[in-house]
Amino acid sequence: NAGVTQTPKFQVLKTGQSMTLQCAQDMNHNSMYWYRQDPGMGLRLIYYSASEGTTDKGEVPNGYNVSRLNKREFSLRLESAAPSQTSVYFCASSGDVFQIYNNEQFFGPGTRLTVL
Amino acid sequence: DQQVKQNSPSLSVQEGRISILNCDYTNSMFDYFLWYKKYPAEGPTFLISISSIKDKNEDGRFTVFLNKSAKHLSLHIVPSQPGDSAVYFCAASVTGNQFYFGTGTSLTVIP
Repeated sequence: NAGVTQTPKFQVLKTGQSMTLQCAQDMNHNSMYWYRQDPGMGLRLIYYSASEGTTDKGEVPNGYNVSRLNKREFSLRLESAAPSQTSVYFCASSGDVFQIYNNEQFFGPGTRLTVL
Repeated sequence: DQQVKQNSPSLSVQEGRISILNCDYTNSMFDYFLWYKKYPAEGPTFLISISSIKDKNEDGRFTVFLNKSAKHLSLHIVPSQPGDSAVYFCAASVTGNQFYFGTGTSLTVIP
């Protein structure tokens, strides 16, 4: 049981380049999330997917797109990277969207992205 | 504007003593609070939670206290162990809505 996996672990991009961050979970969870963590800001929700086939904006969605490819996979795409998107990105999953009892969100190890 | 604040970026405690990590929030609608623990190069892992209908919740060495009137919660770790050295995030939500995370407190437990 791998839990939540993310690829890549590290990435360096130039301004304007595009890339997709991949996330997969093997816990049969319905809901998946993308967060970014910045110094002095905590974790902020970018997008989430309550269930397969649905996606919704979180607190900081600008500059990002997401795809819920199937129940297991939820990808985050930067179409034209900017230095302000330098951050650590975490994917998470839970049984139900924003579930708060018996099963909090499970996080992946993170992707450290630098945009030059 | 940060709705959940952890005003102490770091804390050092001797092994065996009590660690107290604090968290303040501004939104009086929050009714569920969580603490996550994060080791370097890993994602956060859930530690303990508390509903607004309670003022205390215990799980082994970890106790979370909630003071709704002060909009304040704290995490007590007793006794502290070197393996507790990590970054601790508090988070809050209105039931069924997104979690808002604090900025984290880095705890170092000195052997």
